[in-house]
Amino acid sequence: QSALTQPPSASGSPGQSVTISCTGTSSDVGGYNYVSWYQQHPGKAPKLIISEVIKRPSGVPDRFSGSKSGNTASLTVSGLQAEDEADYYCCSYAGSNSFVFGIGTKVTVL
Amino acid sequence: EVQLVESGGGVVQPGGSLRLSCAASGFTFGGYWMTWVRQVPGKGLEWVANMTPDGSQTYYVDSVKGRFIISRDNAKNSLYLQMNSLRAEDTAVYYCARHANLFIDGYNYVFDYWGQGTLVTVSS
Repeated sequence: QSALTQPPSASGSPGQSVTISCTGTSSDVGGYNYVSWYQQHPGKAPKLIISEVIKRPSGVPDRFSGSKSGNTASLTVSGLQAEDEADYYCCSYAGSNSFVFGIGTKVTVL
Repeated sequence: EVQLVESGGGVVQPGGSLRLSCAASGFTFGGYWMTWVRQVPGKGLEWVANMTPDGSQTYYVDSVKGRFIISRDNAKNSLYLQMNSLRAEDTAVYYCARHANLFIDGYNYVFDYWGQGTLVTVSS
């Protein structure tokens, strides 16, 4: 499986919004509503922030939202805060109990 | 509180073997799929392998098939990754992670808890 395509970087000022795209194929992102997003701060383990394209686990701020259209999923962070500066990875179920991650996007809060 | 603690990482020569362990606590381990994910330092995440709750079925990314073996001991609440014929490109931080259970957690096909990772370095 090939890694999902994400922009290497994104940025925004505090209070602004940033949207990260995640592009795959009909065999992964486009074929299933099982796209998840993970936030990773330096030296830390990834943390689940969005599941099944749009679901937000308990404790995750509602500033984080997900969507999908065709083979591309998106994560939007609204009202950017300093603590949102991190790496973000998308992940999709790819069939046959396998998964594929995106290459990651570094979000910088200006 | 759910906790996953990996151990067993270290430096190994190319062609060598290493066994990673992941000790789980705070949940009914035998009721969950478990997975290994790796991350080359400074790079992205890669799903490596996963296993059904009863250990009867295993799945691997193509690059490790025939070299890595995922296993579990539900009596010991532990997950393992036996890594053989190691290559330089296997150098990474290896995380164990829990698959969420649709009927307990309300969502599916996601990794809801992660360990802190253990570093494996393959070098001569």
